[in-house]
Amino acid sequence: AQSVTQPDIHITVSEGASLELRCNYSYGATPYLFWYVQSPGQGLQLLLKYFSGDTLVQGIKGFEAEFKRSQSSFNLRKPSVHWSDAAEYFCALMIKAAGNKLTFGGGTRVLVKP
Amino acid sequence: GAVVSQHPSWVICKSGTSVKIECRSLDFQATTMFWYRQFPKQSLMLMATSNEGSKATYEQGVEKDKFLINHASLTLSTLTVTSAHPEDSSFYICSASGLGGRDTEAFFGQGTRLTVV
Repeated sequence: AQSVTQPDIHITVSEGASLELRCNYSYGATPYLFWYVQSPGQGLQLLLKYFSGDTLVQGIKGFEAEFKRSQSSFNLRKPSVHWSDAAEYFCALMIKAAGNKLTFGGGTRVLVKP
Repeated sequence: GAVVSQHPSWVICKSGTSVKIECRSLDFQATTMFWYRQFPKQSLMLMATSNEGSKATYEQGVEKDKFLINHASLTLSTLTVTSAHPEDSSFYICSASGLGGRDTEAFFGQGTRLTVV
């Protein structure tokens, strides 16, 4: 069965510093991978997605992610964090054969220090 | 991106009553809609998958008689929490996936905060 793991439950980063959120997946076929961000009490906003092709994916708000098949990873990065980036981040894997069913990681809460 | 509207954004109800939550795709036809439940500081748990015109498929452990899902049209799915109890209090989120270029990702509603008192 497929699974998504986000090893870090919380990350605290200083404003202006770089950020990297880890995501590992387990799936027998080529994965469709996503990163979402959720502000408190809100729905999910898509940051970026990977289906195929270039393994470095650019997203909104200055985020990027790199797909590494050999490591089964899809880590999210941002070179310089802003206070507004404080939120919960979810990595997800889509099963196309299951009607676009998403399997989510446990989430990483990002706190930004001034 | 596509727009999915969820209503209401929050609701408070008395124990024993039923609550209906609507999920609408505003600018595309949603062939598949998903309902999730999210507890505080936790990830999203898929409750069920609904396809337009057919019965919903529930995940293991989700009571289908308690969480009634209807997907009667390509733009609307509803989740009804029947005979709600305080333990049903949670954040419920829908997502939709559809036709015409909307089949490669799921678009999320804003979520509904349900509080049962």
